[in-house]
Amino acid sequence: EAGVAQSPRYKIIEKRQSVAFWCNPISGHATLYWYQQILGQGPKLLIQFQNNGVVDDSQLPKDRFSAERLKGVDSTLKIQPAKLEDSAVYLCASSSAGASTDTQYFGPGTRLTVL
Amino acid sequence: GQNIDQPTEMTATEGAIVQINCTYQTSGFNGLFWYQQHAGEAPTFLSYNVLDGLEEKGRFSSFLSRSKGYSYLLLKELQMKDSASYLCAVRSRPDSSYKLIFGSGTRLLVRP
Repeated sequence: EAGVAQSPRYKIIEKRQSVAFWCNPISGHATLYWYQQILGQGPKLLIQFQNNGVVDDSQLPKDRFSAERLKGVDSTLKIQPAKLEDSAVYLCASSSAGASTDTQYFGPGTRLTVL
Repeated sequence: GQNIDQPTEMTATEGAIVQINCTYQTSGFNGLFWYQQHAGEAPTFLSYNVLDGLEEKGRFSSFLSRSKGYSYLLLKELQMKDSASYLCAVRSRPDSSYKLIFGSGTRLLVRP
């Protein structure tokens, strides 16, 4: 079974530029999550989708971050404009239904450096 | 609010046993996960506890006490490849959705 796919793996941009990340979850997984992991910290949930609907985006900085999952499969996360403090690893995870028994499986992440 | 505490760093010797503790405070507790994360890689699932007691899986075991808000991950017969960060994550259901909150992780260094 293929795992969660993410691209790109690395991205370096200057502040105030825009950047987009892509995620393809495990086949059949209805729930998709985007996390931000700053160096030395645990992952922090940014947004959770159930199929193509948003379940939780309470920690997403909506003035600069946006995410979509239009067809309920793959998803994109965008930052516009980027700030220095956005430097982090952006992890995508998926689970089969978002229910109490579900385990989240993570992709390899995109390491973003904002200069 | 929700709070998860785990030690920042631990060091152990190859072949030994190490216990990584995690304490938490949360509302609507619905399970505790342990993930392993090697440097520069994604977290990988290790264990899940929702009821009190010990879950054993090979060299790794995880324990949960819901009344004490406490869990530990026990690693036996340590190998060099076990050097990694170990993330404690609590799932809760404060509203209509399940949320997974991660601790900051414990960086384990295994020495020869």
